[in-house]
Amino acid sequence: QVQLVQSGAEVKKPGASVKVSCKASGYTFTSYGISWVRQAPGQGLEWVGWISAYNGNTNYAQKLQGRVTMTTDTSTSTAYMELRSLRSDDTAVYYCARDLTTVATALLTYWGQGTPVSVSS
Amino acid sequence: DLQMTQSPSSLSASVGDRVTITCRASQGISNNLAWYQQKPGKVPNLLIYAASTLQSGVPSRFSGSGSGTDFTLTISSLQPEDVATYYCQKYNSAPFTFGPGTKVDIK
Repeated sequence: QVQLVQSGAEVKKPGASVKVSCKASGYTFTSYGISWVRQAPGQGLEWVGWISAYNGNTNYAQKLQGRVTMTTDTSTSTAYMELRSLRSDDTAVYYCARDLTTVATALLTYWGQGTPVSVSS
Repeated sequence: DLQMTQSPSSLSASVGDRVTITCRASQGISNNLAWYQQKPGKVPNLLIYAASTLQSGVPSRFSGSGSGTDFTLTISSLQPEDVATYYCQKYNSAPFTFGPGTKVDIK
C-alpha cells in the first residue's frame, strides 16, 4: 500500500531554515510527482510547490520563490522540502502528497501525516 | 496570478438537504479542477477530479460539474459524516492553487 511518512515536528527561530522529509513506499517512486501543501493554524490549504520524482523538475508558489527548495533522493524514495529565512507566518503543518496518476500533475491522492513547523522567537 | 474563489465560505444545513458549493477560477482552467474534503484534524481526501469524475470509494451522493471558470460540488443528501471543509484546486498546470474553502456543518 502507498505510504508517505514525514519527519517529525520542528521548532525554529525566525531567520532559520527547516528541511522536512517525506519517505515514500508501496509504489515506484520515480513514476509520480510530489507536492508540498501547508496549512497554517485554523486556515485553509496553501500549495507550496511540486517536484517530479522522475527528473527533479520543480514548480514553486510565487510567494515562496527564492526561499523554498524541493529535492528528491531516488535511492531512498524520499522527497525533501527546505524553507529558508523562516518567518512567523511560515508556522503551519506541512504535508507532502503524491499525484494520483503519472500524468495528472498535483492531483493529490496520497498524503503524508503532516509535519508541524513552528516559527517563534 | 490565477485566483480561486469559493462560495459560500460556510454553510449550515440539515441532514438530507441538498448542498451546493461553488468554485470560480479567475481564468479558464478547462476541466482541471479537483475537490477535496478535509474533516477536522484529518488530512485532505480527494473527492472529485476532472471537475466531475468521482474518485474511487467516494459515496455517490457527491457530484461535480462545470468547465472553464465556474464549477460546483453538490452533496445530494447531506449526512452527518459530511461535516468538513471542502476545497477546490486547480491542477495540471502551475500554479496549483487551492480555493479558500467552504466549511459545512449540520444545522
